[in-house]
Amino acid sequence: SQQGEEDPQALSIQEGENATMNCSYKTSINNLQWYRQNSGRGLVHLILIRSNEREKHSGRLRVTLDTSKKSSSLLITASRAADTASYFCASDMVDYKLSFGAGTTVTVRA
Amino acid sequence: NAGVTQTPKFRVLKTGQSMTLLCAQDMNHEYMYWYRQDPGMGLRLIHYSVGEGTTAKGEVPDGYNVSRLKKQNFLLGLESAAPSQTSVYFCASSYGGSFYEQYFGPGTRLTVT
Repeated sequence: SQQGEEDPQALSIQEGENATMNCSYKTSINNLQWYRQNSGRGLVHLILIRSNEREKHSGRLRVTLDTSKKSSSLLITASRAADTASYFCASDMVDYKLSFGAGTTVTVRA
Repeated sequence: NAGVTQTPKFRVLKTGQSMTLLCAQDMNHEYMYWYRQDPGMGLRLIHYSVGEGTTAKGEVPDGYNVSRLKKQNFLLGLESAAPSQTSVYFCASSYGGSFYEQYFGPGTRLTVT
């Protein structure tokens, strides 16, 4: 069964606006990762946050982690058309595996 | 570096036919994974390998077999294809399991009629 679930399923924003998506997971984790998938392509790693971290930044991306609520959020600031993609959270499981959620599809309108 | 490559990119099979998907990585990664992606389901792990000569089952292994004879290659076999195996298949590799990022191939779109 999938460990993580993203919310919302889809998001449409104007260029320049911020986009926020959330991920909830079921069991304790050591780390959580976020990936981006452009249409028809493979996934690309964005950021990894460990369970002892609360916030992490990478360029226009900000990830938070709340282990007490078993949730994480991904914020994309000042969105661009190139940010149009699906975004997935992935939480670690036993035996070296990641469990991916179903993803949030983000559309950035010009 | 080519990263992770997958062959073929597209394939159409008839029910009952067999085929092998090839994944190759040039990053000297120990860990390799096969996923399938279906609409609304995210990625589901089929099989994975933690090193040359090793394989293990993931969430949805039935109907698939794998082999890791060489460190750089991870093969996924469909013994007798079924329409339920219509999906997009992704291979990924990583340096060291879930503490490290995974690098994904471009995917193979498989249709079983």
